[in-house]
Amino acid sequence: DIQMTQSPASLSASLGETVTIECLASEDIYSNLAWYQQKPGKSPQLLIYDASSLQDGVPSRFSGSESGTQYSLEINSLQSEDAATYFCQQHHDYPNTFGAGTKLELK
Amino acid sequence: EVQLVESGGGLVQPGSPLKLSCAASGFTFSSNWLNWIRQAPGKGLEWVASINPDGSSTYYPDTVKGRFVVSKDNAKNTGYLQMNNLRSEDTAMYYCARRLWGVMDAWGQGASVTVSS
Repeated sequence: DIQMTQSPASLSASLGETVTIECLASEDIYSNLAWYQQKPGKSPQLLIYDASSLQDGVPSRFSGSESGTQYSLEINSLQSEDAATYFCQQHHDYPNTFGAGTKLELK
Repeated sequence: EVQLVESGGGLVQPGSPLKLSCAASGFTFSSNWLNWIRQAPGKGLEWVASINPDGSSTYYPDTVKGRFVVSKDNAKNTGYLQMNNLRSEDTAMYYCARRLWGVMDAWGQGASVTVSS
């Protein structure tokens, strides 16, 4: 199985700051990576697909990138509504696997 | 508007079966893959099943293979997850999601399953 190692597990940032969340795949997943946002008590919502493509309706302050098997989600100009848990997911191979999640808190 | 609504969750005893439903609307259900994802309380996301558009191919992780069966009735725009021989570790919120090019672009609100004696 492909392992997705996500970091950090949690982070705290202030409004207007920029944060980066990373996922390291245990093998090449050929950009078959998505990022999801989940707010408390809600279902996950797709933010980014194909490592760097922004889902329709998602603010442009969210962006994705990749370098080898390392994938990153960057959130610029943090807003209060960005407080959530973020998950990466690889869909290159079965079983599809998720990162453990990053809980983002706003100071 | 794309909408997915799960139902059928509840409290069951270990070893019992339970069937979840996922009612879809706002898109051509017969042309889309369907995924089931679960989330144990306070934990991360775990993929548990996928089914292709016509229902002829299904996929499962080892944790549920042989116990869970995913199906879809395209005439009723409804997907199902039959869960057999449930264990305490199956306790979770279960989400159905539309799968598009491998990613899940629409999710239901979830159905809660608790396995306990």
